[in-house]
Amino acid sequence: DIVMTQGALPNPVPSGESASITCRSSKSLVYKDGKTYLNWFLQRPGQSPQLLTYWTSTRASGVSERFSGSGSGTYFTLKISRVRAEDAGVYYCQQVREYPWTFGGGTKLELK
Amino acid sequence: VQLVESGGGLVQPGKSLKLSCSASGFTFSSYGMHWIRQAPGKGLDWVAYISSSSGTVYADAVKGRFTISRDNAKNTLYLQLNSLKSEDTAIYYCATNSFAYWGQGTLVTVSS
Repeated sequence: DIVMTQGALPNPVPSGESASITCRSSKSLVYKDGKTYLNWFLQRPGQSPQLLTYWTSTRASGVSERFSGSGSGTYFTLKISRVRAEDAGVYYCQQVREYPWTFGGGTKLELK
Repeated sequence: VQLVESGGGLVQPGKSLKLSCSASGFTFSSYGMHWIRQAPGKGLDWVAYISSSSGTVYADAVKGRFTISRDNAKNTLYLQLNSLKSEDTAIYYCATNSFAYWGQGTLVTVSS
């Protein structure tokens, strides 16, 4: 199975600042079609996860431009610009390159 | 798109439970669907997937005990949980094949 490992944030993050979350995979997430199959989710307290980005950097419908995904191969980053109160929660990366689809352990974002 | 899970509850170890996920707002029969679970205070774990043609795959932790199925006439996804263990205690979410849409989840508690 592909293991996903997420980094921690130096919480709390001051409102208006930027925050970057890292995610590493134990195997390259590049598929034979050339796409890199990495998703990012935000789970706000008491809510279901929300898809933020897919294919590493494509924002899902309705997601703010303040969220930007980047990376390649086995190393990925989600950057959140001008952090706001509604960005608080737990962020998860997920590989969808191959079965079984696996998630990282989550990274908590707290705001100051 | 709306996904509504039901069927969760308190069940004794070794017993069974059947979860449902009612789908609306899209052509249910054309899409694969997932079940994902989240133990209390923990991260996300993918559980099972069923394709539009009813092919299935499972996480090792539930293989042989859980069965995913679908009824396209009723726009409903199911998860049959058998031989339940305390470690199956979790919120169970259904999600569309791309993980773009999730339900609100249904809580399964396995305890004597």
